Amino acid sequence: QVQLQESGPGLVKPSETLSLTCTVSGGSIDSYYWSWIRQPPGKGLEYIGYIFYSGSTSYNPSLKSRVTMSVDASKNQFSLKLTSVTAADTAVYYCARRGTLGKAFDYWGQGTLVTVSS
Amino acid sequence: EIVLTQSPGTLSLSPGERATLSCRASQSVSSDFLAWYQQKPGQAPRLLINGASSRATGIPDRFSGSGSGTDFTLTISRLEPEDFVVYYCQQYGSSPWTFGQGTKVEIK
Repeated sequence: QVQLQESGPGLVKPSETLSLTCTVSGGSIDSYYWSWIRQPPGKGLEYIGYIFYSGSTSYNPSLKSRVTMSVDASKNQFSLKLTSVTAADTAVYYCARRGTLGKAFDYWGQGTLVTVSS
Repeated sequence: EIVLTQSPGTLSLSPGERATLSCRASQSVSSDFLAWYQQKPGQAPRLLINGASSRATGIPDRFSGSGSGTDFTLTISRLEPEDFVVYYCQQYGSSPWTFGQGTKVEIK
């Protein structure tokens, strides 16, 4: 059974960089798209972007200037960096896998709350 | 960017009733790559429907999806108590992949 687990600091200061890692277990990182999605408290889902196992990326234009995603296949991990954070970046951050053959996000991490505050 | 608009924002129904949720796209969704998710409080979203109408693994058959192009529907044939939560649509045919704003199904 594939499992995803987010890890990283739960508190980040304004103007600093948010860094999260998603560890994939029970399956390979190969041949899939891996995404980050966030959800501000009490609000809806916001797509941040994806990284393909080969390293190609696509980001939400609204966040593109501040986002970088990377993948480490040897560790079965992929990561998110979001620079120059503000209180508006406070959210639960989820990592997720897009399945093959036309499937959508079939596996999700449990989510991790990141609060931006001094 | 494809904007997805879900309606209604809140749907008030009773257990056993039929729920019909709508998702309208600002432009045609490529390959009908439209998904529906269910989210319970404090949990990650769960995939219900792929490709507009294909149920994901383990999803009860009371959940069904339909539609193509720009208009999509999620139908719950008979609401169970655990179905009174929030539902999101998502298109994953064109980058950036986008989500609708959600529909909350509440007990009347």
